[in-house]
Amino acid sequence: QKEVEQDPGPLSVPEGAIVSLNCTYSNSAFQYFMWYRQYSRKGPELLMYTYSSGNKEDGRFTAQVDKSSKYISLFIRDSQPSDSATYLCAIYSGYSTLTFGKGTMLLVSP
Amino acid sequence: NAGVTQTPKFQVLKTGQSMTLQCAQDMNHNSMYWYRQDPGMGLRLIYYSASEGTTDKGEVPNGYNVSRLNKREFSLRLESAAPSQTSVYFCASSAEVGTGGYTFGSGTRLTVV
Repeated sequence: QKEVEQDPGPLSVPEGAIVSLNCTYSNSAFQYFMWYRQYSRKGPELLMYTYSSGNKEDGRFTAQVDKSSKYISLFIRDSQPSDSATYLCAIYSGYSTLTFGKGTMLLVSP
Repeated sequence: NAGVTQTPKFQVLKTGQSMTLQCAQDMNHNSMYWYRQDPGMGLRLIYYSASEGTTDKGEVPNGYNVSRLNKREFSLRLESAAPSQTSVYFCASSAEVGTGGYTFGSGTRLTVV
C-alpha cells in the first residue's frame, strides 16, 4: 500500500463549480498536511498547510483533515479557469522528508 | 527575491554523457532537495541535504551524485546518463528538513537519447 494515495484525474468542472480534491494516507504518524499547486511546466508551490484535524480556510480554498479516517481534502469554491493545475497533497511525519501524492489534474472550463 | 534558481532549464544528452544540474537558493534555508517528476510517478526524492555538509539518499538515488557546495548551492550530477533518466528535475529548499514550506525551482527538462 502506497503511503499517500491520490486520484490522478483529470477532474473536469465548469467555471463556478465547487471542487473537491482528496488524498488518503496510511501512516498514522503523519502530523502535517499540505497542498501544493503545480501549473503546467512550473514547479509546485505551497497552497495550504495544516497540522491539525478540522478545517482551515484561505479565501476560496479550504483544507480539511480527518486524522481518524486518514483522509485529507482540498475544496475550491467558485472555481476559475486559472485554478486549472495539478494539485499535490504532501504529508509529513515530523521526522523525515515530505511524502507527496502523485497529484490530481484539475481542468476548469469557462 | 529569486527563491530557488535552477540551471539549465532544458538539456539534451546522449547516452553515456555526464552533466551537472545546478541549484541555488537565496532564502537562507538549511535543507535542500532534488526530485524527479515523471508522468504517472509523481515527485520522487533523489537526494537531500538536511544541512550544509550532509547529504542523504532518497527514494531513487541510483545513477546520481550530489554535492552541497555551501549553504546556498546543491548540485546534482549524472555521471553516465541513461534514457531512463529522461525526466523533469526539481530542486527545492526548506528552512529545516521535512518542514512543509518547500520552495521549488522551475525545473530542468532533461532528455537522454
